[in-house]
This record gives sequence, C-alpha cells and structure tokens, in this order.
Amino acid sequence: KQEVTQIPAALSVPEGENLVLNCSFTDSAIYNLQWFRQDPGKGLTSLLLIQSSQREQTSGRLNASLDKSSGRSTLYIAASQPGDSATYLCAVFYNYGQNFVFGPGTRLSVLP
Amino acid sequence: EADIYQTPRYLVIGTGKKITLECSQTMGHDKMYWYQQDPGMELHLIHYSYGVNSTEKGDLSSESTVSRIRTEHFPLTLESARPSHTSQYLCASRAFEGVLTFGAGSRLTVL
Repeated sequence: KQEVTQIPAALSVPEGENLVLNCSFTDSAIYNLQWFRQDPGKGLTSLLLIQSSQREQTSGRLNASLDKSSGRSTLYIAASQPGDSATYLCAVFYNYGQNFVFGPGTRLSVLP
Repeated sequence: EADIYQTPRYLVIGTGKKITLECSQTMGHDKMYWYQQDPGMELHLIHYSYGVNSTEKGDLSSESTVSRIRTEHFPLTLESARPSHTSQYLCASRAFEGVLTFGAGSRLTVL
C-alpha cells in the first residue's frame, strides 16, 4: 500500500527560527511530489512542486528537497514568522498511480 | 490567485435535502478531483475525472455523485443529505504533470 508519513505531527517554535518538516514515502517510483499549506478551515495552497528528476526547489524562504532513494522529502523554512503558522502537507504522485497520495500533515505554530 | 471556484462556501441544510456543490476552473485543466476533509483530519479522495464524460470513484466510499459535462465544471451532488455528510469538501484540478490547485472549499453542515 502506498503510504506517506510526516514527522513531526505538530511543531511549535519561536519566531525567527529555521525549521525542517519531513515527509517520507514508501516507494521510490514517484513521478513528482508537492508541498502544500493549509490554514484552518481553508483550502490547500500549493507551495512547491518537485519533479522526480529534480533534487530541490526554492521559493522565497522555502526550500524543498527530494531524495527518492531514501524515500524522503524535506521542507526547509528559513527565518520563520507567525504568519507561517498553518498545517503543511506533502503529496506524492507515483509513476503507476492515478492520483496524489497525501500525508497527514505537520501542524506548525510560530510564536511571536 | 487560484482560478478554481467553489460555491457555496458555507451551507447549512436539513436532513433529506438534495444539494449540489459547484466547482469551476478557468485554467482548461483536464483532471479534476473532489476531496472530503473533516476538521483536523486527513484528506480523502472521493471522486475524480480525467476529462469530459469521464468520472471515477476515489479511495473513500461516498454516497455522492459527480458529473463532467464541460471541461471547466465538476459539480458534486448529494441526493439526500444526512448528518454524517457534515464535512468540508475540497475541489482541485491539474494539468498533465502540473501543479494540483485547490479551491477554497465548501463547508457543509447537515442538521
């Protein structure tokens, strides 16, 4: 069964810290991987999409890496701000799959 | 700004009523999806479509139905709403190999 896990489930940090969120997947035959942000009661906002041929993608203070061989992706957030508080989800699209498989998310709180 | 629109954003309705949640996208995407998400819980795929006149059931069994008569439009219908249908419903779309884009969601409460 295709599974996507995210560690930690919840994280609370003071403002200004650099932090890393982890996403693990069970099968290295992925087509691409996408990171999302979700604010309470809202839809998902796409942050970064990494194709299987790429090692990392960057957007502003966000950097996502992909290591297919170890089944891991990390989302690095630099100089965190209270506005970064949200749930972060990763989703994997497998080569042989039809749809994205979502992780359960990491709930981030950045304290002022 | 997302080019995928869901209406209504919020709906409170009585048991037994028929409801339709609307989803429209202006990006010309072939693939469209409906997810169900309870508060603080994981997303579950309930329906998807790869193009006009193509619809499939997702991983989570659902009493809802969908249609795809036009590329841009993917409505979800509940023939007879029940309290167990209370949830948030999220519509999404993507182009081939592209970014999955979500709408703002429709929050349904069935009394």
